[in-house]
Amino acid sequence: DGGITQSPKYLFRKEGQNVTLSCEQNLNHDAMYWYRQDPGQGLRLIYYSQIVNDFQKGDIAEGYSVSREKKESFPLTVTSAQKNPTAFYLCASSTRTSGNGELFFGEGSRLTVL
Amino acid sequence: AQSVTQLGSHVSVSEGALVLLRCNYSSSVPPYLFWYVQYPNQGLQLLLKYTSAATLVKGINGFEAEFKKSETSFHLTKPSAHMSDAAEYFCAVSERWNNDMRFGAGTRLTVKP
Repeated sequence: DGGITQSPKYLFRKEGQNVTLSCEQNLNHDAMYWYRQDPGQGLRLIYYSQIVNDFQKGDIAEGYSVSREKKESFPLTVTSAQKNPTAFYLCASSTRTSGNGELFFGEGSRLTVL
Repeated sequence: AQSVTQLGSHVSVSEGALVLLRCNYSSSVPPYLFWYVQYPNQGLQLLLKYTSAATLVKGINGFEAEFKKSETSFHLTKPSAHMSDAAEYFCAVSERWNNDMRFGAGTRLTVKP
């Protein structure tokens, strides 16, 4: 079945370590997104990419990095520069139409910094 | 930039009662509006969306929402709550001509037996 796969589902990290969250989609969508979810704050956009080899910062990009080398893949690296990385991270994708495409979400990755 | 405000972080209803979750948006151009539902430790699923066709939009699981331009609102309703409706609900807006979707803070719906 088509969909978005995020891994790992749960991840623990020590302070000062970089971690990479995987996001793969087989929906043939051009656009992919990373959101961070914290209780009571909804979803905040970290990065998004509308086409391979191109991506833009969202509202809270500091301390994060991404790459888009393949259409199917949009990994997110949480670097040691991210001051408060404990959160639930959601990857999504959509068709590259003019804003009316719904977002399809993965199951999320919960990162906990020890 | 577009934004969304959801009124009420928690809503509690009895099973069988009306569900009303409020959403107001801000957008400088005609918006596209969405409601998503999230169950614990899962991603978001689309309930319904408004993309400038009928102002009353019907979605899955008996939910519907009405776009009211004069009130800049897109409230979500369901005539009769079911226990399985307990979840967190997010309103979202995106502007035509871009793929930048913005979400509200969410409303947690509790359904009492």
